[in-house]
This record gives sequence, C-alpha cells and structure tokens, in this order.
Amino acid sequence: GNSVTQMEGPVTLSEEAFLTINCTYTATGYPSLFWYVQYPGEGLQLLLKATKADDKGSNKGFEATYRKETTSFHLEKGSVQVSDSAVYFCALSRTQGGSEKLVFGKGTKLTVNP
Amino acid sequence: GAGVSQSPSNKVTEKGKDVELRCDPISGHTALYWYRQRLGQGLEFLIYFQGNSAPDKSGLPSDRFSAERTGESVSTLTIQRTQQEDSAVYLCASSLVGGGRDEQYFGPGTRLTVT
Repeated sequence: GNSVTQMEGPVTLSEEAFLTINCTYTATGYPSLFWYVQYPGEGLQLLLKATKADDKGSNKGFEATYRKETTSFHLEKGSVQVSDSAVYFCALSRTQGGSEKLVFGKGTKLTVNP
Repeated sequence: GAGVSQSPSNKVTEKGKDVELRCDPISGHTALYWYRQRLGQGLEFLIYFQGNSAPDKSGLPSDRFSAERTGESVSTLTIQRTQQEDSAVYLCASSLVGGGRDEQYFGPGTRLTVT
C-alpha cells in the first residue's frame, strides 16, 4: 500500500540554521507529493507540492525535489526563522479506483529559537 | 473568500453518547474529505466525497462512524456510541475538483474528547 515515512522530531534549531526534514514514500506508480504545515493554533495548510519526478516545489524559502530514484521528497530551507516553528507533514496523493485521498506522515515538529 | 469552517471547535462528550461534527467546505469545491488526527500521530483518511459519486468510505474505522454530504455543500460526520479511542482532532478538507494534484484546503478541526 501507499505510505509516507518522515523523520521523527522534535527538531530544534537556532535562527538562520539550515533545515532538512527527510521524507520517503512507498507507492505504486507516480503519486503527487506534498508538504503541509501546521502553525501553532492554526489549521493545516499546503506549503509546497510536486506532481512528477524531478519537479521542485518551493514556497517561503522552503524547497523539496521529487526524487523517483530514491522515492524521497526531503524538505529543506537554507536559513530558518523563528516564525517557521510549526509541525510539518509530508504527504502523497493517489487516485485509486476513481477516489482519492492524501496519505500523511506522522509529522515533524520544528522549533526555531532566536 | 471564506475558507473551510468546522463546528464545533471543541466537543467533550461522555463515553457511549453520539456526536455530530459539521463541515462547511469552500463554495464551489466539489470534493470533500474527512481526516482524523490522534495525538502524536499523522492524519488518517476517513472518507471522501466527490460530486454525486458514491463516497469512498474505506477509511472509516468502524460502523459507528458515518458521514453524509448534501450535494456539494455541508457535510456531517457522525460517531455513534463514542469510545475513548475516538478522542482526536477531526479535520475536514475540500478541493476544487478532487484530482490527485489538486490542493486540499483544511478547516481548523474539531477537537473531540470522550471522557
């Protein structure tokens, strides 16, 4: 079946540090891949996505590249800010049998200290 | 414009009682999803509605769980005879057409606590 594995947190960094959150997936065919973010007290929102191999999604300084050969979609940011503190979820989306759902990883909590 | 809204935001109920959770999707979105987020866990898919098609109920954990959607508008998730393991945040999302590459917009969730 389809599944997503992401690195366990929590992750604590100092401001301006480099961030990597690893995500690997298992799926048949070619899923779309997403990173969602949940800021404290807010709902889940899409951060970035990639729909085919070698695509790079980017938003707010975050990037992730769809790597089919390693079945990965690692999230990176060169210089984190305190405002990036949140829980990050990697997800894949597949249409199967005419219906469709997101499969999420367990989430990685990021805390950025000033 | 208005996003996805859910009500109530918090619900505390006694074990064995029935609860009903409501979701108002973004106007014009044909696809609607329910997910469950248990403490420290990722989101679990529950059910998916797409237009007038039969819903995908494959994620519902037991027959105590059911959901309805009226046309392309409001959806209600009903949990009968609640159990403590039902305690979780229940999230609703909607998307424009429900395709695999279509962004899902999430509501703020309903935090359900079963005592």
